[in-house]
Amino acid sequence: AQKVTQAQTEISVVEKEDVTLDCVYETRDTTYYLFWYKQPPSGELVFLIRRNSFDEQNEISGRYSWNFQKSTSSFNFTITASQVVDSAVYFCALSALGGSNYKLTFGKGTLLTVNP
Amino acid sequence: EAGVAQSPRYKIIEKRQSVAFWCNPISGHATLYWYQQILGQGPKLLIQFQNNGVVDDSQLPKDRFSAERLKGVDSTLKIQPAKLEDSAVYLCASSLLPTGSGANVLTFGAGSRLTVL
Repeated sequence: AQKVTQAQTEISVVEKEDVTLDCVYETRDTTYYLFWYKQPPSGELVFLIRRNSFDEQNEISGRYSWNFQKSTSSFNFTITASQVVDSAVYFCALSALGGSNYKLTFGKGTLLTVNP
Repeated sequence: EAGVAQSPRYKIIEKRQSVAFWCNPISGHATLYWYQQILGQGPKLLIQFQNNGVVDDSQLPKDRFSAERLKGVDSTLKIQPAKLEDSAVYLCASSLLPTGSGANVLTFGAGSRLTVL
């Protein structure tokens, strides 16, 4: 069975601070994909990043970066120089085979509040 | 490119009443999903279609929930009769790739918020 744990329920930072959102996952599959989605107050989940299980290279995309470590089953997400518009709920998600099809499992989310 | 359209945005009903939600996915997206998001939790998959066929409905409470996707485009999700615990946001999503691809990026609609009194 697939499981995603986001231990941080809420995080509050001041604008321009860096913030890291933690994600730990469980799966028995060797091929899987990890995602981060953002859910602003409007309600629509927005795709941010995706990583497959064979690519542990960490990357930076603008103010976003991620740290994927298979040894600890973690896929952490960092926002550098946070802005008020980054305030949202952030979901980590795991896509792994559930039967004959991939199934996307979400964590419970982390509410990020960036204060001016 | 137009996004995933959902309606209604908000619905309030009494328990034991029925309700229906509608979703229009992105044009050309073969795969359509319905998720239930209870307050404070992550989205939970209810049902997944590829074209107009059901791929996965293992988490759909079939005694009260039903969904269809006619002609492989629009979809409706129905709840009858509704219970208090059905209060949630119902999210529709679509993706370009078939369900056999784990790399699928889902595009979500804004959701339909249901309150059952």
